[in-house]
Amino acid sequence: GAVVSQHPSRVICKSGTSVKIECRSLDFQATTMFWYRQFPKKSLMLMATSNEGSKATYEQGVEKDKFLINHASLTLSTLTVTSAHPEDSSFYICSARDLPVNTEAFFGQGTRLTVV
Amino acid sequence: KQEVTQIPAALSVPEGENLVLNCSFTDSAIYNLQWFRQDPGKGLTSLLLIQSSQREQTSGRLNASLDKSSGRSTLYIAASQPGDSATYLCAVIGDYKLSFGAGTTVTVRA
Repeated sequence: GAVVSQHPSRVICKSGTSVKIECRSLDFQATTMFWYRQFPKKSLMLMATSNEGSKATYEQGVEKDKFLINHASLTLSTLTVTSAHPEDSSFYICSARDLPVNTEAFFGQGTRLTVV
Repeated sequence: KQEVTQIPAALSVPEGENLVLNCSFTDSAIYNLQWFRQDPGKGLTSLLLIQSSQREQTSGRLNASLDKSSGRSTLYIAASQPGDSATYLCAVIGDYKLSFGAGTTVTVRA
């Protein structure tokens, strides 16, 4: 299957600072990228969907000013958690997919964010 | 709104036993259904993708069936091994995004 690389795998930051997470599709062009958050023993919660060159679409309840998403190219999307607080500590996973809409989705390795 | 349910939430079996994992969804208007494996603290690994027009898909010891009309999919894992221990997630694609179940955590005892 296709490879989606997510970096970093783990990050610890101080409260009030910002953290950037990168998601790259290594061997295909990702028309659409998705960002998820996963709580312990819970399912994945979709945070936002991004298409290359356009603004991200955020799910209801997700603060777009806190979770900045940029999809600058067909192979790279970034999620920046701004002014992080301990409640933002979580496991974040990106997913990438090409058109058409019924193609297989591939996921990154995830990023464990801990805000202290 | 699509709701995806996976039962049971956890399963423990002895090595060699066949595994049956269930997934149900409320809205049958889906493009496809995908099964994933997630190891602790890791991302998702795609196992099988079933298009809405298909009834099943096979890969090695894995077989997944899809009954769109009844909103059900089943993942069968034959002759389970300790290395199959993981959480298995099913996801359905409706319009453009995936809706996930909470997963079934499988433990295969040696």
